[in-house]
Amino acid sequence: DTGVSQDPRHKITKRGQNVTFRCDPISEHNRLYWYRQTLGQGPEFLTYFQNEAQLEKSRLLSDRFSAERPKGSFSTLEIQRTEQGDSAMYLCASSADRNTEAFFGQGTRLTVV
Amino acid sequence: QKEVEQDPGPLSVPEGAIVSLNCTYSNSAFQYFMWYRQYSRKGPELLMYTYSSGNKEDGRFTAQVDKSSKYISLFIRDSQPSDSATYLCAMWYSSASKIIFGSGTRLSIRP
Repeated sequence: DTGVSQDPRHKITKRGQNVTFRCDPISEHNRLYWYRQTLGQGPEFLTYFQNEAQLEKSRLLSDRFSAERPKGSFSTLEIQRTEQGDSAMYLCASSADRNTEAFFGQGTRLTVV
Repeated sequence: QKEVEQDPGPLSVPEGAIVSLNCTYSNSAFQYFMWYRQYSRKGPELLMYTYSSGNKEDGRFTAQVDKSSKYISLFIRDSQPSDSATYLCAMWYSSASKIIFGSGTRLSIRP
């Protein structure tokens, strides 16, 4: 296992379309996080899973966003009815437990045209 | 006021110089402090992870935490052009579910 894997790396979509991103965390990492990053800013927290349970969601996560982590393994982040303001880098991270290092994937860059 | 403040730079220094990057924070509950390096269009890469106050050294990198001042630093010795990137400070506390990031400092090392 070489780290956190995200797919796709880049996605261009038309406004109003739905998109889905996938994250494969480091094996046996219980915690999985989704972040969003826009140009010149640090990553902003979106949501967090411990195993399959989604334990916290940011108010940044509107009802157009949904995330799942079935069976506590990989996770998906879906954005429905995309808007231009959704254009950003979507980052996934995982950690083994509370208070341990969090490792990030390479991100999925979304462009909404 | 943001929980974590970081000067966005850009910071430009000549090769071989010592670089000092800093963050301040407002939440005294933060216990775990991290520095990430992020190259353009890539994900953040963990450089240093420290708990509570004190120093931690790893090769050319030294992380310093002063909890009494709510101030953390990353020092890079013998800086190289390959160190040119954005450096993000990040922190969390034991009962938190999320890491809080600074906005990042863009660093450029001139050959």
